[in-house]
Amino acid sequence: KQEVTQIPAALSVPEGENLVLNCSFTDSAIYNLQWFRQDPGKGLTSLLLIQSSQREQTSGRLNASLDKSSGRSTLYIAASQPGDSATYLCAVIYGGSNYKLTFGKGTLLTVNP
Amino acid sequence: NAGVMQNPRHLVRRRGQEARLRCSPMKGHSHVYWYRQLPEEGLKFMVYLQKENIIDESGMPKERFSAEFPKEGPSILRIQQVVRGDSAAYFCASSLGGTTDTQYFGPGTRLTVL
Repeated sequence: KQEVTQIPAALSVPEGENLVLNCSFTDSAIYNLQWFRQDPGKGLTSLLLIQSSQREQTSGRLNASLDKSSGRSTLYIAASQPGDSATYLCAVIYGGSNYKLTFGKGTLLTVNP
Repeated sequence: NAGVMQNPRHLVRRRGQEARLRCSPMKGHSHVYWYRQLPEEGLKFMVYLQKENIIDESGMPKERFSAEFPKEGPSILRIQQVVRGDSAAYFCASSLGGTTDTQYFGPGTRLTVL
């Protein structure tokens, strides 16, 4: 079964700390992997998209890596800020369906001032 | 360029009523996807539509649920005879092309069934 798992389910850190969120997927045959941010009561904002041929993507304080052989991705957030508090979702497009996003349940991040 | 728009943002229905959820894709986008987020669950794919065509409805419950994307107007997700288990957030996304083009998400419609 093609699934996406995210750990931890929740994370609380003090402001300024660097942190890593983890995502694992069950099948290495993927088209791409995407990290989203979801704020309470809001929609999803795409943060980073990594194509299957890429190893990482960076945007500002965010860096996402992809290791297809181990079925893992990490989202690294540097110098965290209270405004980073949100739920972070990992989603994969598996081979066999080149449009269907399979989501993890997310990691709820709280950055304390 | 306005983003993906969904309305209503919140919808309350009593058991047995019908719910209609609307999604207007980004300008120029002709591919629409619906996802459902049940409480404590991740988003799950429901259906993929192009103008006037249902491409993949493998994630849709077999009964009571239907979707359309007419030539003119928004995409509609329709739930007939709602039950409490239909309470969820329903998200629409759109993309410029199909395949692996980036999907842009709307703010969602939160359906509560009393």
